[in-house]
Amino acid sequence: KTQVEQSPQSLVVRQGENCVLQCNYSVTPDNHLRWFKQDTGKGLVSLTVLVDQKDKTSNGRYSATLDKDAKHSTLHITATLLDDTATYICVVGDRGSALGRLHFGAGTQLIVIP
Amino acid sequence: DMKVTQMPRYLIKRMGENVLLECGQDMSHETMYWYRQDPGLGLQLIYISYDVDSNSEGDIPKGYRVSRKKREHFSLILDSAKTNQTSVYFCASSPRGNSGNTLYFGEGSRLIVV
Repeated sequence: KTQVEQSPQSLVVRQGENCVLQCNYSVTPDNHLRWFKQDTGKGLVSLTVLVDQKDKTSNGRYSATLDKDAKHSTLHITATLLDDTATYICVVGDRGSALGRLHFGAGTQLIVIP
Repeated sequence: DMKVTQMPRYLIKRMGENVLLECGQDMSHETMYWYRQDPGLGLQLIYISYDVDSNSEGDIPKGYRVSRKKREHFSLILDSAKTNQTSVYFCASSPRGNSGNTLYFGEGSRLIVV
């Protein structure tokens, strides 16, 4: 059973627009949540990690929120660029150690058009 | 230069042949992982290695084995490849498990079994 659900599955926005990606999960316990960016044919690159019960992070034009009570996270991308075209993957870690497991969402494919 | 390197990047094999996928990292990370990524699915863990000769099965170990004789090197072996092992394989490393520490991914090895 999929424990990390991402929506939308795909999204097309115009350059300069803002967008919001959603991640809902059922993983228990939920120690932390990461967002990764995966360019086509490339590996995953970490954008941010959220740890607290209600957490917010910011990394340039990327900002993220986590609400562990709702088991929900969002990734906001402001003023999108063509280079933001990629798949964005939400990952939930069930422990804070190597003994834990990482649960991967299938990703949201973002396409930024001129 | 923090990097995870995978070789080969692309590979075509016939069913029944042996496959060796190699992964190296230059960060002296204790923990290394092998995942596979299939369309529409999140990454699935094949094996995890906590250090030299300290390997554990992941969620889908059947048909695979691993070898870690040096901390910086982690190999994935398919003895007698099957067509359903066609996939993109990702290696990753982490300094001390996944708690608060980012995960570094290689760029993937695309395997086609015909």
